[in-house]
Amino acid sequence: DAKTTQPPSMDCAEGRAANLPCNHSTISGNEYVYWYRQIHSQGPQYIIHGLKNNETNEMASLIITEDRKSSTLILPHATLRDTAVYYCIVRVALRAGGTSYGKLTFGQGTILTVHP
Amino acid sequence: EPEVTQTPSHQVTQMGQEVILRCVPISNHLYFYWYRQILGQKVEFLVSFYNNEISEKSEIFDDQFSVERPDGSNFTLKIRSTKLEDSAMYFCATQARLLSKADTQYFGPGTRLTVL
Repeated sequence: DAKTTQPPSMDCAEGRAANLPCNHSTISGNEYVYWYRQIHSQGPQYIIHGLKNNETNEMASLIITEDRKSSTLILPHATLRDTAVYYCIVRVALRAGGTSYGKLTFGQGTILTVHP
Repeated sequence: EPEVTQTPSHQVTQMGQEVILRCVPISNHLYFYWYRQILGQKVEFLVSFYNNEISEKSEIFDDQFSVERPDGSNFTLKIRSTKLEDSAMYFCATQARLLSKADTQYFGPGTRLTVL
């Protein structure tokens, strides 16, 4: 799986958008970008994933650059409960339909602190 | 919303003892994973399991570790003879087998294993 690079920490004011960048310059065509977060020592929580198009769900938006070498996770209105470690993970699709069922390789992630 | 559950939440054991960590996957999920996280370190992949056999395992997953799905519902991780360095949070994750975009791993809350 391609390696990802994230800033070690970021701050955000409550109510503002949090934009978390991720670099994955060696990503290949069949690799998805996944975002998870981990609050304290709880189990990682899935946020969103995408291949090449921008994606949005009830939690966040994922913006992937046209060359797919970087992406940004956007939390549109950050709250104190969004304080967590955010992981950007690249994961290969292991079957023709695009389903990924291989392991997730976690890095150190970005510690996002949301301030009142 | 369906959740992955794990028991026990905290297990304390003496070095050399056997422990079994249990996971109840989300119904109809067919891919199963174990990860661990030593305090202050990254989440690390241990093993993946599909169709009653190991799909992939890491270097950490040596002969002291085993996995099984004994009754078609629970998914277990056994450590035969625990070592001090096995102290960690152990996370179970499960994934549906869908030929669609919904190929996401969902994590349980974890079991904290303390080896004395």
